[in-house]
Order: sequence, then C-alpha cells, then structure tokens
Amino acid sequence: NAGVTQTPKFRVLKTGQSMTLLCAQDMNHEYMYWYRQDPGMGLRLIHYSVGEGTTAKGEVPDGYNVSRLKKQNFLLGLESAAPSQTSVYFCASRGGPGNTIYFGEGSWLTVV
Amino acid sequence: AQSVTQLDSQVPVFEEAPVELRCNYSSSVSVYLFWYVQYPNQGLQLLLKYLSGSTLVESINGFEAEFNKSQTSFHLRKPSVHISDTAEYFCAVTSPSGGSYIPTFGRGTSLIVHP
Repeated sequence: NAGVTQTPKFRVLKTGQSMTLLCAQDMNHEYMYWYRQDPGMGLRLIHYSVGEGTTAKGEVPDGYNVSRLKKQNFLLGLESAAPSQTSVYFCASRGGPGNTIYFGEGSWLTVV
Repeated sequence: AQSVTQLDSQVPVFEEAPVELRCNYSSSVSVYLFWYVQYPNQGLQLLLKYLSGSTLVESINGFEAEFNKSQTSFHLRKPSVHISDTAEYFCAVTSPSGGSYIPTFGRGTSLIVHP
C-alpha cells in the first residue's frame, strides 16, 4: 500500500520555466490537497479537489494551476516559475475513518 | 469556519523531561482532531487522532493527547522525551461530514530536545 506518492522529489527550475508535480493516491479518497510549506509559515493550502473533475482555490493559488482528471491523481502545475515559488510542496488526501489526512513525502522545488 | 492555534512556536526541553505542546481549536461543528509529526526533511506523519469515545488518545511512541471540549483544546504530552523526538509537530482539525472540506492546520511547534 503506497498511500500518497509525489514525483519528483527534488527539482531545480529557472525563472520562467514550467513544470508539473504529480500526486497519486491509492486509497480511493475523494479529497485531495496541495500545500506549500515555508519557514515560519506552516502549511498553506494552494488548491484542493473534492472529487474527480473538480478543483478549487485555496489560500495561495496565484501562479499555480491544478487538474484532477482521474480520481487517484492530482497534478500541480507552475506555468512560469518565480523565485517566490521556491518551497516544499506537499500533497495530501483525506478519507477513511475520521477523515484522516495522509501526506506524501514532499517535493523540494528551487527556482533560480 | 474552523481554526487551530498552536500557542508555542518553539519548545526547548532537556532529554527525559516531560513536555506539553499546546493546541486550541475553534469550530462551529463537531470535529476530529489530529497531531502530525514532521522530522527534518521529511513529510508529515500521523501521530495520533481523536475521533470519538475516550478523550485520551495515545500513540505507539509514548505521546498522548487529551480532547477537552469545554476548553476546546487538544494538548499533546509526553512524560519523558528522547533526542529522537526532536521534530515539528502540527495540530489539525477536520469536520466529521459535510461542512468544510478543508483540513485546518496550526502553524506548528518545533520541539527541540537537548541532551
């Protein structure tokens, strides 16, 4: 049981480049989330999805896009990366007893 | 709307001393409560959770938390900490059904255990 898997784990981008982070979960959860974590800021919600084909904006959505074409996958895209998007990105899914939240291991992104 | 406040951003403690990490929440509906731990350069792992029933919940590595509805708190405690407990700890709340789809996290408490 893999749980929540994120790829890639590390990436360095140049300003203006685009990239996609992939999140996959094998728990058949409806809800999925993308967070970014920065020092002193805790976890901030970027976008979330309550089911296949649906997405919604979170607290800090600017500069990001998402898609949930399949229930098990939640993609986070950066169309034109900026240094302010240097961060650690965590994907999570929610479900099961108590609506427990399960996290991926994180993706470390540096934009130079 | 729901919110979570972790009252301490950093808690330094000596090894084998007891520790308490404080968490208060606010919500207009009933809640489920969680504590997550994040070791350096790793993801968040579930430490323990309160869903219903006994208000005292325990983890496998000696942590415990008590749900106090009247004080809207879910403080995390350990009677004797180890160096290996050094990590960031996050308190979180979700609703049982419907309502907010968004789990709410506190800003985290950094537990630093000194030898």
